[in-house]
Amino acid sequence: DGGITQSPKYLFRKEGQNVTLSCEQNLNHDAMYWYRQDPGQGLRLIYYSQIVNDFQKGDIAEGYSVSREKKESFPLTVTSAQKNPTAFYLCASSTDRVTYGYTFGSGTRLTVV
Amino acid sequence: AQSVTQPDIHITVSEGASLELRCNYSYGATPYLFWYVQSPGQGLQLLLKYFSGDTLVQGIKGFEAEFKRSQSSFNLRKPSVHWSDAAEYFCAVGPVGGADGLTFGKGTHLIIQP
Repeated sequence: DGGITQSPKYLFRKEGQNVTLSCEQNLNHDAMYWYRQDPGQGLRLIYYSQIVNDFQKGDIAEGYSVSREKKESFPLTVTSAQKNPTAFYLCASSTDRVTYGYTFGSGTRLTVV
Repeated sequence: AQSVTQPDIHITVSEGASLELRCNYSYGATPYLFWYVQSPGQGLQLLLKYFSGDTLVQGIKGFEAEFKRSQSSFNLRKPSVHWSDAAEYFCAVGPVGGADGLTFGKGTHLIIQP
């Protein structure tokens, strides 16, 4: 079945470490997105990519980095510069800009210890 | 800038009762509007979406929503809720033909009383 796979489901990070969250899709979608979810805050856009080898900053990109070397993959790195990284991270993809038919992954919960 | 307001943080409804979740948006043109549902610790699932045409849209799981341009609203309704409807509900807005991602409201937590 086609879908989006995020891994790992739970991730613990020590302060000062970089960590990378994986997002893979087999839907042949062009666009991919990373959102951060905090309790009572809804979802906030971190980065998005409309095409391979191109990506754009969202509303809260500081302290994060991404790459899009393959259509299927859009990993997110949470760097040590991110001051408050503990959150639930959601990856999504869509087939085109117009219909925004987002498909979401099941998320990664990152906790700084 | 576009924004989405969900005025109710929590709503409690008895099983079998009707439901209405409110959503107001701010956007310069006619937006694309969406409702998503999220179970605890899971991703979001699309319930329904509005692009144009009939202002009453039907979605999955018996949900519907009505777009009211004059009120900048896109409220979600269900005639009779089931215990399995307990979840977090998010309204979202997207630019027409734009490249940016969706803007989400802060969500409404739905509690179902037996």
